[in-house]
Amino acid sequence: AQTVTQSQPEMSVQEAETVTLSCTYDTSESDYYLFWYKQPPSRQMILVIRQEAYKQQNATENRFSVNFQKAAKSFSLKISDSQLGDAAMYFCAYRSSSSGGGADGLTFGKGTHLIIQP
Amino acid sequence: GAVVSQHPSWVICKSGTSVKIECRSLDFQATTMFWYRQFPKQSLMLMATSNEGSKATYEQGVEKDKFLINHASLTLSTLTVTSAHPEDSSFYICSALWRLQETQYFGPGTRLLVL
Repeated sequence: AQTVTQSQPEMSVQEAETVTLSCTYDTSESDYYLFWYKQPPSRQMILVIRQEAYKQQNATENRFSVNFQKAAKSFSLKISDSQLGDAAMYFCAYRSSSSGGGADGLTFGKGTHLIIQP
Repeated sequence: GAVVSQHPSWVICKSGTSVKIECRSLDFQATTMFWYRQFPKQSLMLMATSNEGSKATYEQGVEKDKFLINHASLTLSTLTVTSAHPEDSSFYICSALWRLQETQYFGPGTRLLVL
């Protein structure tokens, strides 16, 4: 079974600064997807960024980028120019690329609470 | 991003009653939807995978007779918590898989409180 580990329960960053959230995972598969989701106090899960394992290029979405190290099984999220609206729980998630029941479900890490200091 | 709705957002019920939660994908067809459960200050745990036109697949430890799932159309999946008890109180979140992007989009969640 796959596992996802987020070793930082909480991170704090000054507004406009850059912060990196860590995520490692364990899998024996070669093809899979990785995601970062954000959960603000409303508890709505919002997709931040996604990465296909077969792509070597790191995904980027505006101020959000990832450092995907497949051999090290590491998938960190970098948030540049942090804004107050970035404050939330951030969850790293893994999904197998295999089809079939259960294989498509996401495995989540325990989350990192990101605090933005004005 | 794609939009997924979930209804109701809040429900309070008496112990022993059944509660139905609806999950709809509004702007894409979803042959596969998922149901998760989240306890306070914890992560999301996958409960079951809902496949349109076929039986749901439940994760280990999830009672299929307790949590009935129906996926009758390409845009709607329902979760019925049967004979609810206080220990079923939780936050239930659905997601729909958009195959074109191989990405799950989440509904806003349902807070269930069983008295």
